[in-house]
Formats: sequence, C-alpha cells, structure tokens
Amino acid sequence: ETGVTQTPRHLVMGMTNKKSLKCEQHLGHNAMYWYKQSAKKPLELMFVYNFKEQTENNSVPSRFSPECPNSSHLFLHLHTLQPEDSALYLCASSQDLVRREQYFGPGTRLTVT
Amino acid sequence: EDQVTQSPEALRLQEGESSSLNCSYTVSGLRGLFWYRQDPGKGPEFLFTLYSAGEEKEKERLKATLTKKESFLHITAPKPEDSATYLCAVHQETSGSRLTFGEGTQLTVNP
Repeated sequence: ETGVTQTPRHLVMGMTNKKSLKCEQHLGHNAMYWYKQSAKKPLELMFVYNFKEQTENNSVPSRFSPECPNSSHLFLHLHTLQPEDSALYLCASSQDLVRREQYFGPGTRLTVT
Repeated sequence: EDQVTQSPEALRLQEGESSSLNCSYTVSGLRGLFWYRQDPGKGPEFLFTLYSAGEEKEKERLKATLTKKESFLHITAPKPEDSATYLCAVHQETSGSRLTFGEGTQLTVNP
C-alpha cells in the first residue's frame, strides 16, 4: 500500500447506528487531518492531529469522535448521525504542521438514512 | 473575513485551447498557497505550493503563478485527461494548522 488509504470507501448507516472510518498513511508523516466535503461547498477541516495529539477541533459536533493511536492511523467514530452529515469524508496527512503539503486519501462516501 | 475565491466556477475548453484559472485571496500573512486537482469520487491530489509573490511552478501542461492577491493556474494545450476540479487553498499565519479552501473550478476539456 502506498500513500493514504481509507476504508470503507462507501458507507450507508441509519441515524441510530455506530460506525467507524479508518485512515492509514504510508508516507512517514506526523500530522493527520479529517475533512468533510459536501456538494458545492469548500472542504471543511474537522480535526488535526500532530504526533498523535489533537491540535485542532473545528467546532465539530460530539457525534463525531476522532482517535489517533499512532502517527500512521486515524479513526473517525460516528454515532447518532443526522442526514445532513452525509458527505465525502477525507483523510489527509502532511510531514508536520510546518510543511503543509497535505496528501489526501480517496475518501469515504457516507450516506445517513 | 479571510476568503479564498476561485473563478470561474466551471470552464469548458476544447482540446488544445489554453486558458487560466484564478484563485484570489484576502488573508493576512500568507504562508503558502496550494493547488490541488480532484477527480470525481477521489481525494484531492497535490499539485503545487507557492510561498511568495513572483514565484512560479510548472508540471507538464500546468503552470502556477502567485501575486500578492491572487494565483493563476495556467493550462497550456489541455487534453481531455486534464478534466477535473481544481482546488486552491491558503495557509495563513494566524490559522494554526488550517488550510482555507476555495470552492474549486470544474474544468472540462472536450476532444
């Protein structure tokens, strides 16, 4: 595997379900990010982790819970989501918080029914 | 308010017809401007970083330039495989880890 991988690629869940998105980067980077991409809107930063520590939470509702066990893996735990949470969720990584070139995974297309 | 505005929203070109995409920004203390390409159903692919006015970067048919207020992505003799959405993002001194993205320009190159 190379680059940034995300699983699953597609997810359909009900509003009462609990699911998790997984991201893994094979680039040796130290910073990882979660973004939300909705139709006709710019990418929205959700969370930032640097060396496993969360450095930014962009006022994200608590129904989204991130976890970063090490610099290579990032999870987004989802529970009791709303239909408006349906979007493409993108994971990205960068060398650190100084070198900002971010490399993105393919995303998880989430549909909340 | 800090803003990144991309224009046009959509652009249709014939193969070989050169053009430019624009990214204008109103941020204080620019630390970097980034260009990405995004194909449908995929994550953005990093293209260029520009740090200071006057800087230029090239890759195949693409050339990115930067002034104090805007950046241009010039596409020379485009091919159908250049069709994608092109995203611009800026990093500023006061934004911490955050990149501010524009809404993108959807480019279609017809054969």
